[in-house]
Amino acid sequence: GIQVEQSPPDLILQEGANSTLRCNFSDSVNNLQWFHQNPWGQLINLFYIPSGTKQNGRLSATTVATERYSLLYISSSQTTDSGVYFCAVENAGKSTFGDGTTLTVKP
Amino acid sequence: GAVVSQHPSWVICKSGTSVKIECRSLDFQATTMFWYRQFPKQSLMLMATSNEGSKATYEQGVEKDKFLINHASLTLSTLTVTSAHPEDSSFYICSAPFRQAHNSPLHFGNGTRLTVT
Repeated sequence: GIQVEQSPPDLILQEGANSTLRCNFSDSVNNLQWFHQNPWGQLINLFYIPSGTKQNGRLSATTVATERYSLLYISSSQTTDSGVYFCAVENAGKSTFGDGTTLTVKP
Repeated sequence: GAVVSQHPSWVICKSGTSVKIECRSLDFQATTMFWYRQFPKQSLMLMATSNEGSKATYEQGVEKDKFLINHASLTLSTLTVTSAHPEDSSFYICSAPFRQAHNSPLHFGNGTRLTVT
C-alpha cells in the first residue's frame, strides 16, 4: 500500500516562531488532508488540499502532487497550536495517515 | 457543513462483554464509512470500510468476527467490539466522505475511547 511519511516527528517551538511540517507519499493520490488532533483526540480538519496552495489565517498548505509531497506552514505559532498534526492521503478508495508531527509551542 | 456524530464518546466495560459504537452522518448520506483505531501516541490505522447494504471490507490483520460492522442505512454505521479484552482498549474513530463533487474531504466523528478492564 501507499506509504506516508511525516517529518519532523517532534517539533518544539517558542511562541511566535514559524514552522514547516512535511508530508511525503509514495504514490499518486486523489485527496490529501491536514488535521490537527487536540488533546481530547478530536480531529480538526485544517486543509483539504490535493494540489495547489491554500491559506487560512496563520496556517497555509501547499501540495505538489507531481512530486508527491505536501507542506503545512504555521506562522507566529501560539501555545494553542500544540498537538499532533496528521496528513492523510486517499488512494484507491482508502485513506492512509502519516505517523504525525507532535508540535509543542512554549510560552 | 457536513457533520459526523459518534456515540458514545467514552465507554468502560468489563473483559468479555461487547460494546457497540455508532457513527452517524447527520446532514448527508454516506454509502461508505471508515473505521479507524488509534493506540496511544500512534497514528490512526484503518480497520475496515463499511458499505451500506453489503459486507464490510476489513484490512489485513483485523478480525472480522471480533469487530462486527453493520451499515444498516445511509446515515448509520455501527462497530461492535465482541468479547472485549484489555488489549482492545483504544480510541476508535469513524469517518465519512461528504461527496459533493468527484473528490471531497473526509469528515470525522469525535471518537470513542474504549477502556476494557
